[in-house]
Amino acid sequence: DQQVKQNSPSLSVQEGRISILNCDYTNSMFDYFLWYKKYPAEGPTFLISISSIKDKNEDGRFTVFLNKSAKHLSLHIVPSQPGDSAVYFCAASTGNQFYFGTGTSLTVIP
Amino acid sequence: GAGVSQSPSNKVTEKGKDVELRCDPISGHTALYWYRQSLGQGLEFLIYFQGNSAPDKSGLPSDRFSAERTGGSVSTLTIQRTQQEDSAVYLCASSGRASGANVLTFGAGSRLTVL
Repeated sequence: DQQVKQNSPSLSVQEGRISILNCDYTNSMFDYFLWYKKYPAEGPTFLISISSIKDKNEDGRFTVFLNKSAKHLSLHIVPSQPGDSAVYFCAASTGNQFYFGTGTSLTVIP
Repeated sequence: GAGVSQSPSNKVTEKGKDVELRCDPISGHTALYWYRQSLGQGLEFLIYFQGNSAPDKSGLPSDRFSAERTGGSVSTLTIQRTQQEDSAVYLCASSGRASGANVLTFGAGSRLTVL
């Protein structure tokens, strides 16, 4: 049973515009949510996280929003750059257990 | 080391052969995880080691899969009598903390192809 879902397998955005990647989860006991970025032939790399007690966390061009009532989080990238083209995985954790979504492939068009 | 190191980076084997995949985690990280990513799929949890505690093997797909972690550091994932459906990228991660969150740092993965 998939506890973390990314319903959009792919997304294309023009350079300079905003990219919004979405993620839904089912377990209200998750205490942290994380986004990872993965380039081909590399392992996923950590981007940004948010605690379940917050609704927003910002780091440079990356902002994660958490809507606990809707069990939904999103990653905003603005402005998007061609180097942001990668697969983005949403993850949720409770203690030492991590659950990953299936990923969204982002293409930023120059 | 500076990062999580995995070997081999690529492995091609024949159906029925055994394979061993190695992971060297970040020094000082007590937790070590194995995941796999099959083509077009997300990250599937396999097994988790924490210090000297018994590992969480709940994600291992069959008894052909096993893993050990020696001396609380290097881990080896063994797949016996490989099948074509075992073809995937096997990712190892170790965990530390960043801004309060427990964060996984992944290796580059071992791509396994079973012919």
